[in-house]
Amino acid sequence: DADVTQTPRNRITKTGKRIMLECSQTKGHDRMYWYRQDPGLGLRLIYYSFDVKDINKGEISDGYSVSRQAQAKFSLSLESAIPNQTALYFCATSGSVRQGVTEAFFGQGTRLTVV
Amino acid sequence: KQEVTQIPAALSVPEGENLVLNCSFTDSAIYNLQWFRQDPGKGLTSLLLIQSSQREQTSGRLNASLDKSSGRSTLYIAASQPGDSATYLCAVSNFGNEKLTFGTGTRLTIIP
Repeated sequence: DADVTQTPRNRITKTGKRIMLECSQTKGHDRMYWYRQDPGLGLRLIYYSFDVKDINKGEISDGYSVSRQAQAKFSLSLESAIPNQTALYFCATSGSVRQGVTEAFFGQGTRLTVV
Repeated sequence: KQEVTQIPAALSVPEGENLVLNCSFTDSAIYNLQWFRQDPGKGLTSLLLIQSSQREQTSGRLNASLDKSSGRSTLYIAASQPGDSATYLCAVSNFGNEKLTFGTGTRLTIIP
């Protein structure tokens, strides 16, 4: 099984619909992240969480929300999807300085298309 | 604000050649730097992590170096193979806010 698992892997949704992307990890890392990737723009950070009670906005958080349900689970929601949210979404984890493992690991991505 | 640049955006080399990929960053107060590989439509695979106190890391045919003072890192790939064809991304994290800032990547094609 993958260390960082994203579901679904692919999703097509209509404008205005609410959609949730889920991420779970088995690495025991404190930190979790959501990124989106667009051609020519690279990976941009949407939200990040350094522990279960800590949620922070990234550089492009508008239109998104997150929930850290447990150390191992971090979900991303689009409350009302719009076409320019069509992108490849990645979840990532890393250990905290306290954990001494700061290498980041990524899931396989969710390809989201908003029509 | 940290900015990460990777030049060139694309590179093609014949199989068997050694090659160097470049990464530059604007804020030298980094915590670590990580190189990733991404195949088309796939996730990111971590290749090498260099802590700020290190100068280089090696894994097989890959060697990554770090020069904080000049804001640069290089990824050296020896004896390139067609299977090395992918996009290579570098990312840095800064002290006090250890989240990754990515470059836009170099798309590498190894010609058989």
